[in-house]
Amino acid sequence: AQTVTQSQPEMSVQEAETVTLSCTYDTSESDYYLFWYKQPPSRQMILVIRQEAYKQQNATENRFSVNFQKAAKSFSLKISDSQLGDAAMYFCALTGNQFYFGTGTSLTVIP
Amino acid sequence: ETGVTQTPRHLVMGMTNKKSLKCEQHLGHNAMYWYKQSAKKPLELMFVYSLEERVENNSVPSRFSPECPNSSHLFLHLHTLQPEDSALYLCASSLRLAGGPDTQYFGPGTRLTVL
Repeated sequence: AQTVTQSQPEMSVQEAETVTLSCTYDTSESDYYLFWYKQPPSRQMILVIRQEAYKQQNATENRFSVNFQKAAKSFSLKISDSQLGDAAMYFCALTGNQFYFGTGTSLTVIP
Repeated sequence: ETGVTQTPRHLVMGMTNKKSLKCEQHLGHNAMYWYKQSAKKPLELMFVYSLEERVENNSVPSRFSPECPNSSHLFLHLHTLQPEDSALYLCASSLRLAGGPDTQYFGPGTRLTVL
């Protein structure tokens, strides 16, 4: 079975500071992909960043980066220089024969 | 906008009503999905269509009936729903079926309330 666990239901960060959201997963697949999605209040879910499991290098997209620890099955998201627009639900997801999502982390950005 | 639209955005219905949710994607994708999003629960995959054929039905009650007339449109027909069916229903599409690197693109969702 494939599972995705996000153990932090809520997080907060001061504007301009850095925050890390945690995600662990379990899969029996040798080749898979991991994603972080962002869902702002009342807005569409959009892709933040994607990581191929076969790549050792951590993915980076501007202020967003991941810490991918394959052996530990950990895939955390780091947001640097947090902005008010980063406030949203963040979902970690894993692909196998379908997408598996975590329960989400609600991020509040404090001005 | 990500190229996936859903209508209506909000829907309130009684338990005896029949209604339909509509999803349209303008991305040229071949796979489409219906998800149910409830508070504090992972997204629940309901149905998967690939090239207009249903390839996944995750033990969804028969009061939910999907329809995919072509690769751009996906419907979810609702009848005799229960209050516990109240949730945000999300449509998504991807170039190919999930299992590879293809990102899923989501619509804004329909907020459904069953009275």
